[in-house]
Amino acid sequence: GAVVSQHPSRVICKSGTSVKIECRSLDFQATTMFWYRQFPKQSLMLMATSNEGSKATYEQGVEKDKFLINHASLTLSTLTVTSAHPEDSSFYICSAYGGYNQPQHFGDGTRLSIL
Amino acid sequence: GEDVEQSLFLSVREGDSSVINCTYTDSSSTYLYWYKQEPGAGLQLLTYIFSNMDMKQDQRLTVLLNKKDKHLSLRIADTQTGDSAIYFCAESGGGATNKLIFGTGTLLAVQP
Repeated sequence: GAVVSQHPSRVICKSGTSVKIECRSLDFQATTMFWYRQFPKQSLMLMATSNEGSKATYEQGVEKDKFLINHASLTLSTLTVTSAHPEDSSFYICSAYGGYNQPQHFGDGTRLSIL
Repeated sequence: GEDVEQSLFLSVREGDSSVINCTYTDSSSTYLYWYKQEPGAGLQLLTYIFSNMDMKQDQRLTVLLNKKDKHLSLRIADTQTGDSAIYFCAESGGGATNKLIFGTGTLLAVQP
């Protein structure tokens, strides 16, 4: 089946640090990748949609300068949380979409903790 | 806007069947999905159904779709303790980006 690898699985760092999270589709090409944020005991909140070779589309209320997304190839998208602060602590999950009529496949998530 | 609703919690005994329900509002939904999330993990795709289907069965899982009532259900036969998790339904219009709208999630607790 389709596999999406997300790294790192857990990050703990000091306030002001920038953190990069990688999302890779291992056995298929992803025309689109999605980045979600999940708060405890809540559903997933879509942050942005990333298409290979073009600028990401951010959802309302998501700061594009805070959450930088790069989709450099059909198998890799990165999310960089710039100058992270404690309120950015959360569970971040990516998903990859292979094209028409295919389901989204999700990574295992990254637990980000900012001290 | 589009909305997807689920009951928050379901408790069943091991060996019984579980039925998790979901309602949605977008009549143009093309695909409907069920994902499973275990603690601290990402989402695992369980199954999905195209909107022109009424039912889909895959081993212990049966998905029923009532398009008229915009109601989707997931039945898990012979529920095991390993099935304990949060189950999310999601709908999409398909197409070029297949953006998903997620439900609130149902926590399934399986009692031994």
